[in-house]
Amino acid sequence: AQSVTQLGSHVSVSEGALVLLRCNYSSSVPPYLFWYVQYPNQGLQLLLKYTTGATLVKGINGFEAEFKKSETSFHLTKPSAHMSDAAEYFCAVRDNYGQNFVFGPGTRLSVLP
Amino acid sequence: GAVVSQHPSWVICKSGTSVKIECRSLDFQATTMFWYRQFPKQSLMLMATSNEGSKATYEQGVEKDKFLINHASLTLSTLTVTSAHPEDSSFYICSARDRSGIESNQPQHFGDGTRLSIL
Repeated sequence: AQSVTQLGSHVSVSEGALVLLRCNYSSSVPPYLFWYVQYPNQGLQLLLKYTTGATLVKGINGFEAEFKKSETSFHLTKPSAHMSDAAEYFCAVRDNYGQNFVFGPGTRLSVLP
Repeated sequence: GAVVSQHPSWVICKSGTSVKIECRSLDFQATTMFWYRQFPKQSLMLMATSNEGSKATYEQGVEKDKFLINHASLTLSTLTVTSAHPEDSSFYICSARDRSGIESNQPQHFGDGTRLSIL
């Protein structure tokens, strides 16, 4: 069975500071990994995904994530936080047989002026 | 880009009524659609998986008679909350898997969600 953990249900950073949102997964098969962002009362927007190939993945809005198999991690980073980045972020895993997503519990990012 | 349209975005109704939520893939065909429920400040919980032309597969603990799912075409799935009660109030999100490409790499797109409030 697959599972996803996100360390820190709430992360606060100052505007312009580094954003680091942690994600660890467990999977018995090579996973596909995703980060989604959710703004209040809205659905999910895909930030980036890892399937195969390069382990450092760049996404939209300046976010990137690195797949580290040895650490079973897929942490999300952004060099400089912007006020508009305040939202809920979900890490998700899907096995490469195309089964459903398993979502992490989410991390709420607050950006302080 | 691929779009999944979910309608309505917000619905308020009286206890005991039935509510239908539509999920449409606008520019692709979806072999599989998923329905999720999200409680405030929590993650998405899969309710059921539906494949076009067949019965939905419900997750453990989800009442199939309460949450009726129909996937009659490759672009439309509906979720009907029957005899809704206040405890059914939640945010419901659908997702559709694009049938193009190899199965393991088919993209999955999410709707914008429906906020259901039962009075």
